[in-house]
Amino acid sequence: DAGITQSPRHKVTETGTPVTLRCHQTENHRYMYWYRQDPGHGLRLIHYSYGVKDTDKGEVSDGYSVSRSKTEDFLLTLESATSSQTSVYFCAISSESTEAFFGQGTRLTVV
Amino acid sequence: QQPVQSPQAVILREGEDAVINCSSSKALYSVHWYRQKHGEAPVFLMILLKGGEQKGHEKISASFNEKKQQSSLYLTASQLSYSGTYFCGTPRGGGNKLTFGTGTQLKVEL
Repeated sequence: DAGITQSPRHKVTETGTPVTLRCHQTENHRYMYWYRQDPGHGLRLIHYSYGVKDTDKGEVSDGYSVSRSKTEDFLLTLESATSSQTSVYFCAISSESTEAFFGQGTRLTVV
Repeated sequence: QQPVQSPQAVILREGEDAVINCSSSKALYSVHWYRQKHGEAPVFLMILLKGGEQKGHEKISASFNEKKQQSSLYLTASQLSYSGTYFCGTPRGGGNKLTFGTGTQLKVEL
């Protein structure tokens, strides 16, 4: 299995609080991604990174920010959590034009 | 734009074949296929490249239609372990960013 770890695996937080999710890889892959998965929508790209300090927005980036200060870590921050951000969040890694490996997911509930 | 998958759900008896379609409004240059079991992460199955070359699973194959606006995934002699939700992903821009379809739920029964 690809070395990719997400933390935490589960989190419940209150509306308006900041939340940070962490993705850690041991594969030295260049590309890292954050997706959210919701019923009826499949997997939607939030942000991605193509190198240290190189990030860009995906299709559902509003309300989210990311940072990548090291090759192995990609952080997703919800600046002020809302109920619409209740979801399962998946981190993924890949090399150029190859398969993506997904982490086990973080189930986030905003109450 | 998100690819459209069909059917949305299918139930098979073990040993039967299935076809899952992934349609796009634009020509597809490659299609990635993933399977996700309930409560687990998506797992890579295969990549279909623009020349028809395939990389991945031995017992699963895929193809493009003539205009390359649709890809079909072929599951032959299905096994119980094939149950799950299948997603197609189409690259958008560089860096392997994928836009995923809404998924097809497949259940294989005895």
